[in-house]
Parts: sequence; structure tokens; C-alpha cells
Amino acid sequence: DAKTTQPNSMESNEEEPVHLPCNHSTISGTDYIHWYRQLPSQGPEYVIHGLTSNVNNRMASLAIAEDRKSSTLILHRATLRDAAVYYCIPVNTGFQKLVFGTGTRLLVSP
Amino acid sequence: NAGVTQTPKFQVLKTGQSMTLQCAQDMNHNSMYWYRQDPGMGLRLIYYSASEGTTDKGEVPNGYNVSRLNKREFSLRLESAAPSQTSVYFCASGEGGSVSNQPQHFGDGTRLSIL
Repeated sequence: DAKTTQPNSMESNEEEPVHLPCNHSTISGTDYIHWYRQLPSQGPEYVIHGLTSNVNNRMASLAIAEDRKSSTLILHRATLRDAAVYYCIPVNTGFQKLVFGTGTRLLVSP
Repeated sequence: NAGVTQTPKFQVLKTGQSMTLQCAQDMNHNSMYWYRQDPGMGLRLIYYSASEGTTDKGEVPNGYNVSRLNKREFSLRLESAAPSQTSVYFCASGEGGSVSNQPQHFGDGTRLSIL
């Protein structure tokens, strides 16, 4: 499994953009990069995933470095509801399971 | 739109008691998973079922058994509960095959305390 490094915590103000970094220097060429988040007292929730190109959806954007050794999850305008733990998970083709690290706890202030 | 439903939401057991955690999904997914999450830690995979009729061990299977009852339901059994199994248990489902290009969907968890 590729190892990941994420900041333990980050802070943001409401309505400001948030950039959550993840280093995954041991990622293989076929690993997808998944992001999940976990709100307090809830199960993890899928956010976004990508392989090489930057990706956008209604929740967030994912920027993947050209060498694929790092990625950044971008929340364009943080809301209080975005306060959660965010997990970056490299997933190899053929794997049946997700391997969670400890993630980044995002605090959002009004 | 229920998604993944787990029962019960909370349970307190005494050491040595047995119980079964239930999980059902209504998304016609092939794969189902059981994870546990201890305080301050990420989720760890206990068992998974890649398709109906198959089950496989994950990272931390000791002390647990599973049953894939049908395509919708995947249960987790503690035969003789121990305090070390106090945790929050999450069930998840996915379309199956390689998970690399498919998201998993999680339930809201079962909070289990063993005294």
C-alpha cells in the first residue's frame, strides 16, 4: 500500500477556499487517489477521486501533481458543514479495500 | 434513499457475550465491507465480501466472523466479546470488482461498548 502524509489539522474561515495537501510519494502508476471525509459521529463520505488529471465535482476539486507524488483537495468556499476529518487514500487497481490513515482534521470558523 | 443501514446504532455488552451487527444496502452493490474505528485512529478493515457467496479477511479479523446472507445483507458476529473490541463499527458497500475507480458508501456506524 502506498503511504500518505497529511497534516494533522488545518483551520479555515467560513466562505474562504481551503487547500488540503497530501503527499503520496510511493504511489504506483495505476493507483487512483481517493478522498473521503468523515463528519462528527458519521461514517466516511466519498468526496472525489482521480488518476492523473485534475477533477471537479459538486463537492470539491482535486489537483494532482504532474509527478503524482502529491495531490490537493480544494474546497472552494468552506462552510461550517465542511468541518470534518479528510482522508487521502491511494487505491491500487484490483484492490478490494480502502486503507485509511489518520487524515486531516479541518476546523471551520464562522 | 436509505443507502447503507446498520443496526443497532448503540450496544453495550458484557465480556463473553455474543452479538451480531447487521448491515443492509439497497444499491444493488456486489461488494460489502466491515471496518472498525478506534478513538483517534482511521478505519481498519475487519472482513469484506467481494461478491455474494465470498468473504475474505481484512487487517484485523481475529475475534470476528461474518456472513454474506444475500446480496443485500452482510453481518458481523462477535462470538465472545472482549473489552478490546469496544469500537465504532462501520459497514460499507461498493459496486465490486476493483474499487480503484468506484466509491464506497458507508453506514452511520454501530457504537459498541464491552464492559
